[in-house]
Amino acid sequence: DVKVTQSSRYLVKRTGEKVFLECVQDMDHENMFWYRQDPGLGLRLIYFSYDVKMKEKGDIPEGYSVSREKKERFSLILESASTNQTSMYLCASSSPWGQGNTEAFFGQGTRLTVV
Amino acid sequence: AQSVAQPEDQVNVAEGNPLTVKCTYSVSGNPYLFWYVQYPNRGLQFLLKYITGDNLVKGSYGFEAEFNKSQTSFHLKKPSALVSDSALYFCAVRPTGGGNKLTFGTGTQLKVEL
Repeated sequence: DVKVTQSSRYLVKRTGEKVFLECVQDMDHENMFWYRQDPGLGLRLIYFSYDVKMKEKGDIPEGYSVSREKKERFSLILESASTNQTSMYLCASSSPWGQGNTEAFFGQGTRLTVV
Repeated sequence: AQSVAQPEDQVNVAEGNPLTVKCTYSVSGNPYLFWYVQYPNRGLQFLLKYITGDNLVKGSYGFEAEFNKSQTSFHLKKPSALVSDSALYFCAVRPTGGGNKLTFGTGTQLKVEL
């Protein structure tokens, strides 16, 4: 089974802190994603990576950056955390979209609270 | 731009009754369509997908979904609901013609009562 592991289930950080959310997948997937989930808004894509060191902005990249130095690991960075970044963060991975018949697999989520 | 609409924030069903969770989409070209389920404080679990072929797709836990191209819909169904089906359900779409974006709906909370 595909396993996508997020380093923390719950995090509490202070405003202005630099925050790292880590995600590791064990299926040699090329694609990795970071979403945030908020009630009534569904899942919104923050960043997407289709290869090591490659990334694309999603719908809401402001205030975030990402790092993908190794294929299995995709990190989301909040440069200076703010209270409006309090949310559930979901990491996902998939085979390349060009291979067509594939779905994304999700981690268990990190609930981040910024105080 | 591609989009997904889940018109119902919540669906209530009695156990044993059939359930339907609605989804409509907008995308350029032909779609790949997905349903995911989320239990409290957990990530999303894949339920089923439509790629091509038969319009009726069968997935995990007895769920199925019907792709209707003319109505641009992909409604999730189950003939007999269980209390354990109570969860948050998300529909998602990706265009077959390329692009990296998997777009989700806002989710529908399903509540199955005894």
